[in-house]
Amino acid sequence: EIVLTQSPATLSLSPGERATLSCRASQSVSNYLAWYQHKPGQAPRLLIYDASKRATGIPARFRGSGSGTDFTLTISSLEPEDFAVYYCQQRHNWPPSFGQGTKVEIK
Amino acid sequence: QVQLQESGPGLVKPSETLSLTCTVSGGSISGYYWTWIRQPPGKGLEWIGYIYDSGSTNYNPSLKSRVTISVDTSKNQFSLKLSSVTAADTAVYYCARPSYGYRFGAFEYWGQGTLVSVSS
Repeated sequence: EIVLTQSPATLSLSPGERATLSCRASQSVSNYLAWYQHKPGQAPRLLIYDASKRATGIPARFRGSGSGTDFTLTISSLEPEDFAVYYCQQRHNWPPSFGQGTKVEIK
Repeated sequence: QVQLQESGPGLVKPSETLSLTCTVSGGSISGYYWTWIRQPPGKGLEWIGYIYDSGSTNYNPSLKSRVTISVDTSKNQFSLKLSSVTAADTAVYYCARPSYGYRFGAFEYWGQGTLVSVSS
């Protein structure tokens, strides 16, 4: 099973700042990586799929990049509603797997 | 707009079978890989498995011996059964649907999740 390691575990930032989240795979997943936003008590929300494609209705401030083993989710300017936990997920190898998450919290 | 809603008991006794149903509204159940995902308290997400509308299934090998996913297309529902549960199976269980053409990722639609606790 492919292990996805997300860093940092927690990111403390202020609204308006740039957030850079990392996801590293234990072996290549090509570009078969997605990012999700998860808020307490809510369903996870698909942000990015295939490493860099924004899902329907996702604002342009969310950008995914990377391929192979190293991926980045960048939020260009944090809005108040962006403070949440973010997960990466690979579908290149079976079974699909998720990272442990990065919590973006208000500083 | 597609909506998914999980239902089932919130408490299951150890060694018994956990049973959940996901009701799909706002769209057809045909043509997609209907998926169950869970999240134990304080931990990350774990893919459990999927069922296609034809009835073909695919399960996480870590759970394969205990998992059964079934579908009832007439009711637009699919279900999860997990047998011989232990406290380690305590989790929020989500049903989800990937984007069209995706089997194992790009989960576009999710239910709100339901907490299932395993305790005597």
